[in-house]
Amino acid sequence: QSVLTQPPSASGTPGQRVTISCSGSSSNIGSKTVNWYQQVPGAAPKLLVYSHNQRPSGVSDRFSDSKSGTSASLAISGLQPEDEADYYCAVWDDSVNGPVFGGGTKLTVL
Amino acid sequence: QVQLVQSEAEVKKPGSSVKVSCRASGYTFSDYYIYWVRRAPGQGLEWMGWINPNSGDTKYAQKFQGSVTVTRDTSISTAYMELSGLTSHDTAVYYCARGRMIMFGGVIVLQVYFDYWGQGTLLTVSS
Repeated sequence: QSVLTQPPSASGTPGQRVTISCSGSSSNIGSKTVNWYQQVPGAAPKLLVYSHNQRPSGVSDRFSDSKSGTSASLAISGLQPEDEADYYCAVWDDSVNGPVFGGGTKLTVL
Repeated sequence: QVQLVQSEAEVKKPGSSVKVSCRASGYTFSDYYIYWVRRAPGQGLEWMGWINPNSGDTKYAQKFQGSVTVTRDTSISTAYMELSGLTSHDTAVYYCARGRMIMFGGVIVLQVYFDYWGQGTLLTVSS
């Protein structure tokens, strides 16, 4: 029932490049900037990417994002075991006058 | 360093209320909105509401209007989220987060992101 649609799961082997998609509409992704969060079990979400490929201090440059129309993607290159986590896209939505999240994608490193 | 420290886990009966606190430190509390987000078991993140600590203005997600009240006490740099009429569906981890908002012309929101999060407060609703 999330406003933004993400695949429930994704997987890859160490060293691989993985992408996670996020689909929305004109009132959110189509007109706003998307952000991405990482949540490992038992911890709070952590900001990963914001403002078009900006990363907070300490976040690896292996994480990058892109957007086209009403869809966005998070790319993780050089996959590492510690990347195993849940990933969420988020964006402001004018129709709700607040932020909306994707349902989350569970990334498994095989 | 910026920190948001939340109150401890709670166990509540159906129909009761809970009030979760979020104490900020390491920055000027009134300069940034505080957002409340929850994650129910097996579910994704869900925005509940926000407060402007400077003015006290609030905004709630439609789903939570009438059941959530967000307040703040600027003298102790603390925001609160009170949830009433609890049901088992409210069992979740509740987070506060500092919001950074990018606007155009002071009116149009282009982006909001959450750069610091509290550690989370587990609420269990059970009879």
